[in-house]
Amino acid sequence: GQQVMQIPQYQHVQEGEDFTTYCNSSTTLSNIQWYKQRPGGHPVFLIQLVKSGEVKKQKRLTFQFGEAKKNSSLHITATQTTDVGTYFCAGPKAAGNKLTFGGGTRVLVKP
Amino acid sequence: NAGVTQTPKFQVLKTGQSMTLQCAQDMNHNSMYWYRQDPGMGLRLIYYSASEGTTDKGEVPNGYNVSRLNKREFSLRLESAAPSQTSVYFCASSESHSSGNTIYFGEGSWLTVV
Repeated sequence: GQQVMQIPQYQHVQEGEDFTTYCNSSTTLSNIQWYKQRPGGHPVFLIQLVKSGEVKKQKRLTFQFGEAKKNSSLHITATQTTDVGTYFCAGPKAAGNKLTFGGGTRVLVKP
Repeated sequence: NAGVTQTPKFQVLKTGQSMTLQCAQDMNHNSMYWYRQDPGMGLRLIYYSASEGTTDKGEVPNGYNVSRLNKREFSLRLESAAPSQTSVYFCASSESHSSGNTIYFGEGSWLTVV
């Protein structure tokens, strides 16, 4: 079945530095969504990418969908303590909206 | 606008006990979901309801039952709790079941089975 893998599982970042987290699917995705979960909180939708090669930005966050629509990345510039949390990518199964979530990248920021 | 509300927030059960997690959404969404989250495992779909009157199994349905009581409410029942069901449970909803719809999550229910 479809699997969505995220790497790295953990990311320790010095405040002010950049980092990238990656999401890889075993199958082509019609779209991919990213969610953020703060510690002790619930996942909150960040963005959806639909087109091959699509790039979207939200302030210091840059999201990219691969040309083959099997991978995606989230790049954060000038990391801040507010970026702490777990970032999940999710892709729909072939039919319907049964999203398959990756295992998440847990981001810890060192001040 | 409350969004997705689930209760209880915390619960401790003894092995073999039963309980029901309640969930309601006020966004007039058609589809509702129950996920569980375990450390390092991401979010795994237990059951979902594409629309009122329908329910289907997700990735990890064993040990659970669900009821879509009406369009607003979707409950998750553990008939005989086991320690392996210790987890954080999230109810969620989306406008429809079609691909690309944003999923809105409740705040989670922390369940411990001892």
